[in-house]
Amino acid sequence: DTGVSQNPRHKITKRGQNVTFRCDPISEHNRLYWYRQTLGQGPEFLTYFQNEAQLEKSRLLSDRFSAERPKGSFSTLEIQRTEQGDSAMYLCASSPGGRSGRVTYNEQFFGPGTRLTVL
Amino acid sequence: GNSVTQMEGPVTLSEEAFLTINCTYTATGYPSLFWYVQYPGEGLQLLLKATKADDKGSNKGFEATYRKETTSFHLEKGSVQVSDSAVYFCALSSGYSSASKIIFGSGTRLSIRP
Repeated sequence: DTGVSQNPRHKITKRGQNVTFRCDPISEHNRLYWYRQTLGQGPEFLTYFQNEAQLEKSRLLSDRFSAERPKGSFSTLEIQRTEQGDSAMYLCASSPGGRSGRVTYNEQFFGPGTRLTVL
Repeated sequence: GNSVTQMEGPVTLSEEAFLTINCTYTATGYPSLFWYVQYPGEGLQLLLKATKADDKGSNKGFEATYRKETTSFHLEKGSVQVSDSAVYFCALSSGYSSASKIIFGSGTRLSIRP
């Protein structure tokens, strides 16, 4: 499978615990995005990487959230001291960051998401 | 800032009915416009896109035309099927010169009765 993969698919944790999610983008995509989707809403942008550099962070990304992409390939999103309000689906997307055939600069391919439930 | 407003759901139709899901946007410059679909238990998939004014995106019988004068990108299908039941998101990204994060509407849940 050459799509975007995310692990785990589901995570249940107790309030106050730390959690870490992983995203593996499509091979050779140099842009990687994290989004959060709460029930009944559209995804909201959290942060974005161009290769290993984190170039933009949303105001939604509080100090308890940190994302890394150390080698410009996979990325991790960590949430420290989880709160019930962090319960959501966390989506990862990747894009080529250029133009390749019919795929345009800003077409993003989404993974299946990690559903986080904080008890 | 940039934003997307789409028709609230849920929308329930009978099979073979005509579908319209309204979407309007607010953006500076010349955004690209998208419709994404989320089938039950699956991830977001790009359904169609349009990158400039008057472009028509189409896929799987769905169409949407980029109307700059009305800042709209309404989704249409002439004859819906039960398999079209899903949540549909209208979205935009701000163009070639930026990081192009996608801004989504709140989604419209579509249910098709046999």
